[in-house]
Order: sequence, then C-alpha cells, then structure tokens
Amino acid sequence: AQSVTQPDIHITVSEGASLELRCNYSYGATPYLFWYVQSPGQGLQLLLKYFSGDTLVQGIKGFEAEFKRSQSSFNLRKPSVHWSDAAEYFCAVGSPGSNYKLTFGKGTLLTVNP
Amino acid sequence: GAVVSQHPSRVICKSGTSVKIECRSLDFQATTMFWYRQFPKQSLMLMATSNEGSKATYEQGVEKDKFLINHASLTLSTLTVTSAHPEDSSFYICSAGDRGREETQYFGPGTRLLVL
Repeated sequence: AQSVTQPDIHITVSEGASLELRCNYSYGATPYLFWYVQSPGQGLQLLLKYFSGDTLVQGIKGFEAEFKRSQSSFNLRKPSVHWSDAAEYFCAVGSPGSNYKLTFGKGTLLTVNP
Repeated sequence: GAVVSQHPSRVICKSGTSVKIECRSLDFQATTMFWYRQFPKQSLMLMATSNEGSKATYEQGVEKDKFLINHASLTLSTLTVTSAHPEDSSFYICSAGDRGREETQYFGPGTRLLVL
C-alpha cells in the first residue's frame, strides 16, 4: 500500500524568504506525485505533478518540486514566498493504473509573516 | 482548463432532511469522480469513487445507503446525504479525473454542509 508523510504540520516563514515543504512517500515502483494547495474554505488547486522524465518539475505560482527516488521524497520549493501563499499544502501519491485514485498526506499549514 | 464546479457552495438544513450536492466537470469529460469529506484542520478522507454509468465504490466505513452517489453522465456526479444529522456536518469536496490527460484529479471548490 502506498502512503505519504508530510513531517511538518505547520511552517511559518517571513515574506520574501525561501520555502521548502517536505514530502516522503512509500510506494514500490515509480509513483505519480502531486502537490495541491488549499486556501481556507476552498477546494484544492493543483500546483504541479510528476509522472516521469525530468525530476525537477515546475508548477504554477513560482513553485517547483524535485523527485528524489533515493530519498523517496518530493519536496516543494519556492525561492521567495508571498503573503498570498499562506494556505494548506497537500502532497499526494498515485500509481499507474489506479484510475486516478490518490493517497494524501496530512497537509502542511503555511503561515507567512509580513 | 480542467474546471470543476460544485453546487451549492454552502447549505444549512434541518436534521432528518436529505441534501443533494452536485459536482460538474465544466470543460472536460470525467469518467471517474471522487467524493471526499474534510474535517476542520484535517486532510481529505476519500468517501467513494464513482465511474460513469456504474455503481460507486465506497471506502470502508462509509455508509452507502447514507451517502448516495450517482454518476449519470461524463460531466455530472451527485452526492445525496440522506436523513442528515448534525454529525454529517462537514466540508464535502468532489474531484474529477480528466480522461484526456494523465491521471490527475481536479477538485471542486467544496460544499459546506451544516445540519441543525
């Protein structure tokens, strides 16, 4: 069975600082990996995804993530955080042939200080 | 592209009534749709997977007679909470898989249900 761990429940950064949100997964083969963002009271928005190929993936809103097979990780990064990035971030893993089914991490709440 | 809508966005109902929530894929065809429930400050809990034209597959512990799911077309799935009770109050989110893209779920904006 696949699983996702987001070790950080809550992270606080200053506006303009760099950001890294951690995600570790457990899956026997190469998974499909996703990062979603959720603003309060809203649904989830897809930031980026990795299926294959280049392990550094660019997403929307200036986010990127790097797939590291040796570490079973898919960490999300942004070089300079904006106040509007404050939200809940979810990492998710899927698998080929799973009919889109995803396993989600518990989420990381990002607070941005002015 | 890949826009998913939900209606209503918020609903308040009395205990014992039934509530229907609609999930639509606006600009793509979705052979598979998912229904999630989210409690405050928690992750998403998958309730069921619905495939167009077939019965939904419910996750363990989810009462299929309580949460009726219908996926009658490639763009519409509905979740009906039957005989709702206060403990059913929650944030319900649907998502849809775009058959034209790689296996990716696109999420609706969610429906806040409050049962009095």
